[in-house]
Amino acid sequence: DAMVIQNPRYQVTQFGKPVTLSCSQTLNHNVMYWYQQKSSQAPKLLFHYYDKDFNNEADTPDNFQSRRPNTSFCFLDIRSPGLGDAAMYLCALGTQTYNEQFFGPGTRLTVL
Amino acid sequence: GQSLEQPSEVTAVEGAIVQINCTYQTSGFYGLSWYQQHDGGAPTFLSYNALDGLEETGRFSSFLSRSDSYGYLLLQELQMKDSASYFCAAPMDSSYKLIFGSGTRLLVRP
Repeated sequence: DAMVIQNPRYQVTQFGKPVTLSCSQTLNHNVMYWYQQKSSQAPKLLFHYYDKDFNNEADTPDNFQSRRPNTSFCFLDIRSPGLGDAAMYLCALGTQTYNEQFFGPGTRLTVL
Repeated sequence: GQSLEQPSEVTAVEGAIVQINCTYQTSGFYGLSWYQQHDGGAPTFLSYNALDGLEETGRFSSFLSRSDSYGYLLLQELQMKDSASYFCAAPMDSSYKLIFGSGTRLLVRP
């Protein structure tokens, strides 16, 4: 059974057109992460939640927002996507050790 | 600052052994993790070393030396399916966040 589900798997949007990516989990973990990963680069942390406590990375652009209405769901909103925002967006769950994270399959975002 | 350094690319022959190194500089060290990522896929957790020494999991082993700020991932009996990117990662201080190395792309040749 999938532990981390991301929808959609592929998203195409136009320059400047808002887009929302979703992540859901079946494990009831309280820590969730959003990463951006560009080709041949390491995942870059955008934000993370401990329960509903939201933590924004200092270098995450204001264009990126997130919501976590309950433990199971988390959303990434990109208000005005630019060409540079084309990337894979990964949602991950934290475990008790915080050294092991479970990643979802990712959403590949294309910006035209 | 906090950083983890890895070679960008490694090539090896099917059936061989390959070692992927990771040197780190972090403030407050809690352990070193390794992740595998195939092209187009998500990172998957491979191993974690909290203490010095070698941890073995099947064909994969991971080593840590805290005194040298160094670790490595050892892959034995390489298979074509091992061609992927491998990332070392370490917790950022005592937070819930991981710092990832830049990744090593492993190419296994027949």
